[in-house]
Amino acid sequence: EPEVTQTPSHQVTQMGQEVILRCVPISNHLYFYWYRQILGQKVEFLVSFYNNEISEKSEIFDDQFSVERPDGSNFTLKIRSTKLEDSAMYFCASSEGQENTEAFFGQGTRLTVV
Amino acid sequence: AQKITQTQPGMFVQEKEAVTLDCTYDTSDPSYGLFWYKQPSSGEMIFLIYQGSYDQQNATEGRYSLNFQKARKSANLVISASQLGDSAMYFCAMREGAGSWGKLQFGAGTQVVVTP
Repeated sequence: EPEVTQTPSHQVTQMGQEVILRCVPISNHLYFYWYRQILGQKVEFLVSFYNNEISEKSEIFDDQFSVERPDGSNFTLKIRSTKLEDSAMYFCASSEGQENTEAFFGQGTRLTVV
Repeated sequence: AQKITQTQPGMFVQEKEAVTLDCTYDTSDPSYGLFWYKQPSSGEMIFLIYQGSYDQQNATEGRYSLNFQKARKSANLVISASQLGDSAMYFCAMREGAGSWGKLQFGAGTQVVVTP
């Protein structure tokens, strides 16, 4: 069964460093998303991406964040200068864009900023 | 204002019993979709069930069913014949708009513990 794949599963980084979280969405999907979940809290939307551009972003997605689809398969989230409060689980998701279809989530990347 | 409200932070249920997880939502959009996801302790998000705002019948998927009461804006998840493997966090989510590409907005979740 096709699945969304995220790497790495866990990343530890020092405050101020740049991190890139990687995702391989399901191959025939057209819409891609990043969500984050701070430990013990609810899942929050960050950004959606379609046709090589951002279609929607939340207020969390400020200038330190960027997304890119560098090739036909990968979808990346870059955090330019990490802060302690960026520590969270980051989920990538993708959807077909058809009616009545769900978003499929990856297994998540746990980011720890120290 | 909260778009999705899950009022039960945690629940215990005995194996083989049914459990109902509450979810209410707030939207003025006539087109929307409601989702339930399961998050086990390993962290991944597993899709369980979907209900569209125009669906006439309540959605069912195996042991999961969704009790959709549109006028009350509620979309409760019913898990029948609970199993130990059902122990997890359960999130209700909503997608507004007619398209299926919009963002999901999640509730705070309900932690379910199934006991032998």
